[in-house]
Amino acid sequence: GAVVSQHPSRVICKSGTSVKIECRSLDFQATTMFWYRQFPKKSLMLMATSNEGSKATYEQGVEKDKFLINHASLTLSTLTVTSAHPEDSSFYICSVRTRADTQYFGPGTRLTVL
Amino acid sequence: SQQGEEDPQALSIQEGENATMNCSYKTSINNLQWYRQNSGRGLVHLILIRSNEREKHSGRLRVTLDTSKKSSSLLITASRAADTASYFCATSNNDMRFGAGTRLTVKP
Repeated sequence: GAVVSQHPSRVICKSGTSVKIECRSLDFQATTMFWYRQFPKKSLMLMATSNEGSKATYEQGVEKDKFLINHASLTLSTLTVTSAHPEDSSFYICSVRTRADTQYFGPGTRLTVL
Repeated sequence: SQQGEEDPQALSIQEGENATMNCSYKTSINNLQWYRQNSGRGLVHLILIRSNEREKHSGRLRVTLDTSKKSSSLLITASRAADTASYFCATSNNDMRFGAGTRLTVKP
């Protein structure tokens, strides 16, 4: 399967600042990556589909100007949470879909906004 | 939006017992996958079953799929304390949608 890393694993920031989360596909060239968020004891909610070289596709209710996604290469997608607020505190997880149609997930990034 | 719904939401069993978790979904799918997640960690892929398959095995895991009922089940046999985790089903077409998950606790 694909190996996916995320950085940072944890981040604490002040309200109003921006935070960038990186998702790397270490052994697979991913034209498509996915970003999810997960609240405590809840399921994963798809935020957006990140497409290499083009704009991301956002799910209904997800503000594209707040959650900026850049998929500049086949191995890297970034999610930037702009002007973060405490309600943005969550667990953010990215995934890569392989040709076998299996998704492999990164270890997640826990964001805490004070 | 979520696609699958797992049931039960929480399950507590003794080590050695079998654990069965069910998942129902709403739309047509290409495949259905099961994942486990330990608290605060990423997801680990367990098994993928395609829409034209009815049953699949992997070690102590057995997955069934009934596309007419839009449901799937995950059976973990001879459970171990290390199986304690949350289990999610996810349906896949162009993207992947997750159910609410079942929190399994296996008591030693």
